[in-house]
Amino acid sequence: EVQLVESGGGLVKPGGSLRLSCAASGFTFSSYSMNWVRQAPGKGLEWVSSISSSSSYIYYADSVKGRFTISRDNAKNSLYLQMNSLRAEDTAVYYCARDSDIVLMAYDYWGQGTLVTVSS
Amino acid sequence: DIQMTQSPSSVSASVGDRVTITCRASQGISSWLAWYQQKPGKAPKLLIYAASSLQSGVPSRFSGSGSGTDFTLTISSLQPEDFATYYCQQANSFPPRFGQGTKVEIK
Repeated sequence: EVQLVESGGGLVKPGGSLRLSCAASGFTFSSYSMNWVRQAPGKGLEWVSSISSSSSYIYYADSVKGRFTISRDNAKNSLYLQMNSLRAEDTAVYYCARDSDIVLMAYDYWGQGTLVTVSS
Repeated sequence: DIQMTQSPSSVSASVGDRVTITCRASQGISSWLAWYQQKPGKAPKLLIYAASSLQSGVPSRFSGSGSGTDFTLTISSLQPEDFATYYCQQANSFPPRFGQGTKVEIK
């Protein structure tokens, strides 16, 4: 069974940093591109970042470029999001999601999400 | 960047009704469109990929159509478990933007 479990969320002050993790199991992690998608309270879904299976290709939303860094460790079946210079508008539930088998950039499995709150 | 616009933003419907949600891309995306369902407090669930292909395990009352810039998600006979928010997402190019969502509510 495919499982994605996020961790690392919490309360952080503006300007602070946080590192999110996503532990994957039930599939060959090293074969799939992975993604972070966030959802601010009461709002819609916003794509944040994507990383290819071998980390060769990395993409960021303009809203986080230069502040967030996506990475992965295929030996540990883990995806990460290092978030620096956090702002109030980064407050959201952060989901990790797997690219589908069939169509890139369609996400067939999602984690349960981890809440990041940026507030003084 | 490609913008995605959904309509309506909300719809009230009864069990058994046919519901149609529209998604428009700001430029052509061929058939590279996905639809998701999200229930409160839960992660999104992939329903449709490549505009009209049903994800494994998704009931056949869900269907998708369209290509280019105009797409629709249809629920042929609304069931109680279908009350949720639905999002389209373009899968043609980065950034893979989502539509703003359509909330399907009980009438």
